[in-house]
Amino acid sequence: DQQVKQNSPSLSVQEGRISILNCDYTNSMFDYFLWYKKYPAEGPTFLISISSIKDKNEDGRFTVFLNKSAKHLSLHIVPSQPGDSAVYFCAASADTGFQKLVFGTGTRLLVSP
Amino acid sequence: GAVVSQHPSRVICKSGTSVKIECRSLDFQATTMFWYRQFPKKSLMLMATSNEGSKATYEQGVEKDKFLINHASLTLSTLTVTSAHPEDSSFYICSAGPGRDQPQHFGDGTRLSIL
Repeated sequence: DQQVKQNSPSLSVQEGRISILNCDYTNSMFDYFLWYKKYPAEGPTFLISISSIKDKNEDGRFTVFLNKSAKHLSLHIVPSQPGDSAVYFCAASADTGFQKLVFGTGTRLLVSP
Repeated sequence: GAVVSQHPSRVICKSGTSVKIECRSLDFQATTMFWYRQFPKKSLMLMATSNEGSKATYEQGVEKDKFLINHASLTLSTLTVTSAHPEDSSFYICSAGPGRDQPQHFGDGTRLSIL
């Protein structure tokens, strides 16, 4: 049973525009949500997180929104840059802080110049 | 920033071989490290929690005798795939963090191919 789902395997965006990556979850016990970015042949790199007591967290060009009632979160990147092209993973944890993560299947973002 | 080093990056070996993968935290101590496995086009799946100085905790469905985990120091955890078979071929990746409330940092992973 996939508890964290990223239904869009890929997304293409033009440079300068907004990229919106979506993630849905089923486990209401999740209390931390994270986004990781992964380049080929490298491990995932932490981007941004949000706890379940918040509905928005912003860090530079990256903003994560959480809608607990819909069990949905999204990552907004604005403006998108070609260097943002990578696979983005949504992850969640339940009562373990940032540990023992449950990952989505990832969305491949391609930002074209 | 925090760095986690994983070695080797790729292993190709014959069926029946045991393979050891190392995960090191380079600039912080980690009492807990985590091992994940990724199948093609699937998400990273947590296999086990590596606990320094005590037994690892395995997720449901993961064979502890097949995947031996040792966490002998605060900076090193090892995963040994014992008597590997083709179905063990996968991408294995470890993570560690400076603390419970700080993000996990991942190694670059190990691509294991069993012939």
